[in-house]
Amino acid sequence: DAGVIQSPRHEVTEMGQEVTLRCKPISGHDYLFWYRQTMMRGLELLIYFNNNVPIDDSGMPEDRFSAKMPNASFSTLKIQPSEPRDSAVYFCASSLGQDLYEQYFGPGTRLTVT
Amino acid sequence: AQSVAQPEDQVNVAEGNPLTVKCTYSVSGNPYLFWYVQYPNRGLQFLLKYITGDNLVKGSYGFEAEFNKSQTSFHLKKPSALVSDSALYFCAVRDTITGGGNKLTFGTGTQLKVEL
Repeated sequence: DAGVIQSPRHEVTEMGQEVTLRCKPISGHDYLFWYRQTMMRGLELLIYFNNNVPIDDSGMPEDRFSAKMPNASFSTLKIQPSEPRDSAVYFCASSLGQDLYEQYFGPGTRLTVT
Repeated sequence: AQSVAQPEDQVNVAEGNPLTVKCTYSVSGNPYLFWYVQYPNRGLQFLLKYITGDNLVKGSYGFEAEFNKSQTSFHLKKPSALVSDSALYFCAVRDTITGGGNKLTFGTGTQLKVEL
């Protein structure tokens, strides 16, 4: 398996623009997680899905952030409008529930909002 | 609420020497504990986990960790460090109390630097 795939790997955008980050989990995994990593705040869980259904979005910073999982092989994280403080590395991870939370991380998307 | 603390931002060790990266946790019930490693410009990689059973857990790349319930610790260890072990290490915890969801709480990370 190719592992968790994220695109793009790097994104530079201007404040106010819409940003969409994409994730393809490992085939067969039933959990998908979105994390944000910054120097100041470390690694934060934004939202996670089980069988394509959002379970906990309490980590989503504000209404500008939204996430969807239309099917088992694809998820998006959207920021609209983007702000400079959204600059971070965004990771997607997936896991098999029965493996008790061993998560497999993608390579991340480095987002820079100017 | 569940939490994990990694008291050291950075650990320096000479190649060939043993290494320890510290982690303490706080949960309401029993913990599930994990160590992950992050190399530059990469995602986190799973190293090992403690769910139940033997307090000494062995993982990838020669790493091991010891679960100590009385000290609420889960320190990562390796008998002989390699320069290639240099990376950012994260401890994570999940509370087994119902209502914690499937969320892992990660520590702030410890940068390990192994020098020749």
